[in-house]
Amino acid sequence: SQQGEEDPQALSIQEGENATMNCSYKTSINNLQWYRQNSGRGLVHLILIRSNEREKHSGRLRVTLDTSKKSSSLLITASRAADTASYFCAPGGKLIFGQGTELSVKP
Amino acid sequence: ETGVTQTPRHLVMGMTNKKSLKCEQHLGHNAMYWYKQSAKKPLELMFVYNFKEQTENNSVPSRFSPECPNSSHLFLHLHTLQPEDSALYLCASSGTGGNEQFFGPGTRLTVL
Repeated sequence: SQQGEEDPQALSIQEGENATMNCSYKTSINNLQWYRQNSGRGLVHLILIRSNEREKHSGRLRVTLDTSKKSSSLLITASRAADTASYFCAPGGKLIFGQGTELSVKP
Repeated sequence: ETGVTQTPRHLVMGMTNKKSLKCEQHLGHNAMYWYKQSAKKPLELMFVYNFKEQTENNSVPSRFSPECPNSSHLFLHLHTLQPEDSALYLCASSGTGGNEQFFGPGTRLTVL
């Protein structure tokens, strides 16, 4: 099992801007998932991207996966104050979480 | 609402108390998980159950005792805890294949 390493640890942007966060991992995977956690709450699944996919969209979310570089990115477009949360990636089938990226969207 | 509920949502207990955390899922999943989230630390996977059988115990101290009477319910029995056990305890479930996990809202535990 492995955990993803999210980068940056913290990100602060203005409403309407795009937010990009990255995830790196060490060993080969079949899929990678992204989760969001609002302060003091449970995690919410955002999106799953499989190893044979390079990019996936879901609403304002765009996820990329580069298996050769063992990295993934999550882009949130036109951010809103409600997007303020911590974001975690989980590479592979077993969900081991890293420190996450703490995103703050200021109105 | 994720279909996973946890009770209580908040719990304060002394070091000599015995309490239990409860998790219930109404999603027909066969895997359930306990996580611990301390301040400024990553989520720590504590226990995994598949079809009521414990398949993973990540070196969790024996003062934490899980119980899974059926695929819909998961308990975490607590006794003689330490102040450093204060944390958010999250329960999750997943279906066959164990991909997407659905999390409960968590129990905020404070040990005095």
